[in-house]
Amino acid sequence: GQQVQQSPSSLVLQEGENAELQCNFSSTATQLQWFYQSPGGSLVSLLSNPSGTKHTGRLTSTTVTKERRSSLHISSSQTTDSGTYLCAISTNAYKVIFGKGTHLHVLP
Amino acid sequence: GPKVLQIPSHQIIDMGQMVTLNCDPVSNHLYFYWYKQILGQQMEFLVNFYNGKVMEKSKLFKDQFSVERPDGSYFTLKIQPTALEDSAVYFCASSPGTGAYEQYFGPGTRLTVL
Repeated sequence: GQQVQQSPSSLVLQEGENAELQCNFSSTATQLQWFYQSPGGSLVSLLSNPSGTKHTGRLTSTTVTKERRSSLHISSSQTTDSGTYLCAISTNAYKVIFGKGTHLHVLP
Repeated sequence: GPKVLQIPSHQIIDMGQMVTLNCDPVSNHLYFYWYKQILGQQMEFLVNFYNGKVMEKSKLFKDQFSVERPDGSYFTLKIQPTALEDSAVYFCASSPGTGAYEQYFGPGTRLTVL
């Protein structure tokens, strides 16, 4: 089955609203990363957060390792935040497993 | 932060030809990876390379695929011969170590096989 599940699959917000993205995973993760993929396809690393809470700018990620879940909170969303947010975990030394992503669309 | 570069950004070739995708990883990193993303679909792991050897590969890493990093230069993915289903964006990544180390991704090479 799907090792990394993200929800919701898509989300539409008005500019200024907050977004809460979820990631659940079925295996023990040694590392967890959140990525942003632009509509053009390029990949940007947002946060690396295998456990606990991390902040950067308007982003906050909380990972509860024992419960195998992580969240990404985007505060005061902007139209430029539109794109796909990917959650990815490492379960061993050699690869990262990606979720299918949450497609975020922020309306002006 | 550290950057992974990929050359070229786009490549168009005819089915059956050979193609080499180049990756310039972060300079002190030791582990190198390729991932494949078909348009609109999920990012999928292809292969991991360390110390001159393939450490792990997925079933997407067909016999026509090979990787190498000669003399510490570019980390390359070669596909010979190419097939229509190889059309995708290929992402290179590198990491300084294993386990809890995060992977740094390049911007991708868009490969179109005609």
